[in-house]
Amino acid sequence: GENVEQHPSTLSVQEGDSAVIKCTYSDSASNYFPWYKQELGKRPQLIIDIRSNVGEKKDQRIAVTLNKTAKHFSLHITETQPEDSAVYFCAAKETGGGNKLTFGTGTQLKVEL
Amino acid sequence: KAGVTQTPRYLIKTRGQQVTLSCSPISGHRSVSWYQQTPGQGLQFLFEYFSETQRNKGNFPGRFSGRQFSNSRSEMNVSTLELGDSALYLCASSLSGQTYEQYFGPGTRLTVT
Repeated sequence: GENVEQHPSTLSVQEGDSAVIKCTYSDSASNYFPWYKQELGKRPQLIIDIRSNVGEKKDQRIAVTLNKTAKHFSLHITETQPEDSAVYFCAAKETGGGNKLTFGTGTQLKVEL
Repeated sequence: KAGVTQTPRYLIKTRGQQVTLSCSPISGHRSVSWYQQTPGQGLQFLFEYFSETQRNKGNFPGRFSGRQFSNSRSEMNVSTLELGDSALYLCASSLSGQTYEQYFGPGTRLTVT
């Protein structure tokens, strides 16, 4: 089955700096890669996603890049703000098999003033 | 549209008991997936239901079961509870089998004593 590794486990940046979180996946057949943000005590919130036929997607300060050859994808947050502080999860969905998502272990992002 | 809802939000049970959790998807969504979230194991897929049929199942023992009703509401049941079943149980809904975006409910916090 699919295996997703996520790094780093914790990330501390200064407000206004950029943050990058990286994930690798094992199943080359995976075709959908979402990112979720989970604030303390709240539900995971879908913030951006990318499909395997696209190399990059951007939404305001957030972007995701996908390298299918290397089987890795990354989340980029620019101009970080204190409200970006949360745990971020990457995930991968295998082709077929319904909507099963395999998640990375999460990255605790802290944006310091 | 109203988001995904889950009931109850908090639950305390004793070892050996059983529990039923409920999930109401976003109106019009037909796919419901269940995930277990723990500090040690992260987010792990339990199963997915689509049109009242289990379409996929994760690596959990048979004590974990679920079902989906004709209105797409879903329930999951855990029998013979163990201490290790203490976790946040999240459900996520998706529009259809071909729409990958999943939206999470607030979760049910289960504590087994």
